[in-house]
Amino acid sequence: RKEVEQDPGPFNVPEGATVAFNCTYSNSASQSFFWYRQDCRKEPKLLMSVYSSGNEDGRFTAQLNRASQYISLLIRDSKLSDSATYLCVVNMGGGSQGNLIFGKGTKLSVKP
Amino acid sequence: DAGITQSPRYKITETGRQVTLMCHQTWSHSYMFWYRQDLGHGLRLIYYSAAADITDKGEVPDGYVVSRSKTENFPLTLESATRSQTSVYFCASSEFRGQGYTFGSGTRLTVV
Repeated sequence: RKEVEQDPGPFNVPEGATVAFNCTYSNSASQSFFWYRQDCRKEPKLLMSVYSSGNEDGRFTAQLNRASQYISLLIRDSKLSDSATYLCVVNMGGGSQGNLIFGKGTKLSVKP
Repeated sequence: DAGITQSPRYKITETGRQVTLMCHQTWSHSYMFWYRQDLGHGLRLIYYSAAADITDKGEVPDGYVVSRSKTENFPLTLESATRSQTSVYFCASSEFRGQGYTFGSGTRLTVV
């Protein structure tokens, strides 16, 4: 099983749609989880951390399911500017001991 | 300017040449990282550093050398460049190892 797995997409959705991405991770000891956004030919940027209780930032909601070892990102009311690749990121070592492992990303394209 | 900067932005070099990619951060973050990003592989960790004079290998260290004589600088050297090292290289920094990283804008390296 790969360490961090994501559906590569692409997800092609119309403006205003709700879209969800899932990500699975292999190390049950992982403690820190993140979603990054990467625009074409740009560096990855932190979108949001993922907390055990779930967290929301405007139109974005992140959820963590430790039992099933997966993380999700929900985007509501999609905007054209949401078009990007979304990277699932996991601290595989647990706590502060591990480095971040990046999934290969899920590409989102929002169309008018 | 505050932040993390990489240079050069673009580099073309010949097989067998030595090339050094520079990374500089102004936050005095303890941790610094070098990743490479290739189609089909996502971001892979090359080397990281926990502090000045402390470096360690990541997932794909072969053919690369790093140093960290000052906290703010973390250069990456390709001792004898090969075509397989054609990639986009990202430097990142963080105050803590397992927390969200901030990335530089990347160096696009082509080895011909």
